[in-house]
Amino acid sequence: DAGVIQSPRHEVTEMGQEVTLRCKPISGHNSLFWYRQTMMRGLELLIYFNNNVPIDDSGMPEDRFSAKMPNASFSTLKIQPSEPRDSAVYFCASSFTPRNQPQHFGDGTRLSIL
Amino acid sequence: GESVGLHLPTLSVQEGDNSIINCAYSNSASDYFIWYKQESGKGPQFIIDIRSNMDKRQGQRVTVLLNKTVKHLSLQIAATQPGDSAVYFCAENLVGDDKIIFGKGTRLHILP
Repeated sequence: DAGVIQSPRHEVTEMGQEVTLRCKPISGHNSLFWYRQTMMRGLELLIYFNNNVPIDDSGMPEDRFSAKMPNASFSTLKIQPSEPRDSAVYFCASSFTPRNQPQHFGDGTRLSIL
Repeated sequence: GESVGLHLPTLSVQEGDNSIINCAYSNSASDYFIWYKQESGKGPQFIIDIRSNMDKRQGQRVTVLLNKTVKHLSLQIAATQPGDSAVYFCAENLVGDDKIIFGKGTRLHILP
């Protein structure tokens, strides 16, 4: 069975550019989570969706970050404009329900902003 | 690929020995706990979970123990193998909250 699929795996771009990260959750999962992982801060939840609806975006760093889930099989995380401090590994995870179920992670997008 | 904080605790274990990774969780109201394994360049991989109405659960070569009295969770890996080298995270889910809180992680290093 296919797991969570993220693209691209790596992204290198210059500051000020728009960055779009993509995620395809596991089929049948109703909840989708976006995380960011850095050396200094570890794994941080940015936003999560339940049944395609954003439930909690309190982890989104600032207005430069936005996320959408137009349907059950696709989500995007966009950064515009990007800054060097946004460099991190971004993970998408999905689960059957928001709680009391394991979240299954993709292999992440390693983002470098020059 | 780096994936955790600068001051990540490391556990070194001889190949073939048993490993015990410990985790102190933060909230007595948590009712669901998960262990994840993260290998270099990959996302966290689900290993095993346990609900608060249990104190032990076993999987293949892994056992999770939960001590609610002292808010302690442990992961035991039997007959540790080179492929077990990774960073291990515990995570907790608070009652009434959808979010999972991840611990800082422990790096498991297997000695030949």
